[in-house]
Amino acid sequence: DTGVSQNPRHKITKRGQNVTFRCDPISEHNRLYWYRQTLGQGPEFLTYFQNEAQLEKSRLLSDRFSAERPKGSFSTLEIQRTEQGDSAMYLCASSLRTGGAGETQYFGPGTRLLVL
Amino acid sequence: GNSVTQMEGPVTLSEEAFLTINCTYTATGYPSLFWYVQYPGEGLQLLLKATKADDKGSNKGFEATYRKETTSFHLEKGSVQVSDSAVYFCALKSSGDKLTFGTGTRLAVRP
Repeated sequence: DTGVSQNPRHKITKRGQNVTFRCDPISEHNRLYWYRQTLGQGPEFLTYFQNEAQLEKSRLLSDRFSAERPKGSFSTLEIQRTEQGDSAMYLCASSLRTGGAGETQYFGPGTRLLVL
Repeated sequence: GNSVTQMEGPVTLSEEAFLTINCTYTATGYPSLFWYVQYPGEGLQLLLKATKADDKGSNKGFEATYRKETTSFHLEKGSVQVSDSAVYFCALKSSGDKLTFGTGTRLAVRP
């Protein structure tokens, strides 16, 4: 169990550019979640996958955001035409779907995005 | 909708002091409740959880009891250490599968 990994750890970009982040979940986990955390706030849910199917998207996820998990393993989150308000920490988490109420999500270290 | 309210920080304590971080929630149905901790420079880690009323979650000397009647899940520790300095997040998972987090409470423990 190597944990959830995210790349890159930091990204600085100019307004209007596109960025893509990658998340590698714990290997046997079939669920993968994306959250966004701004300074002084708790993480906010963006979207999640079960295997390759995207099951839910938050209203926070504007048309400029897209997430994929093509083979049910790693996932990418792309932000097109970045805006300064997109500056945040983007967190990925994974879990093993058990059907139990206490299913635990394990978080990666996050990708910190700064849009200039 | 679901929401979690935590006491505002920072909380500053001396080593070996008693810790309480308050957490209350609003949720549909019967949520599961969690405390996550974020140490400086690290990712979120699950500290403890409880899945039904009157359950007590515990780990590393921390405890929290799921109180349905007061919709609360307060975090306690009898004797804090400098190494407990971190940001603590209360969270819930209700009918959906996503977590809803509070804003976090920063704890600083002085030697």
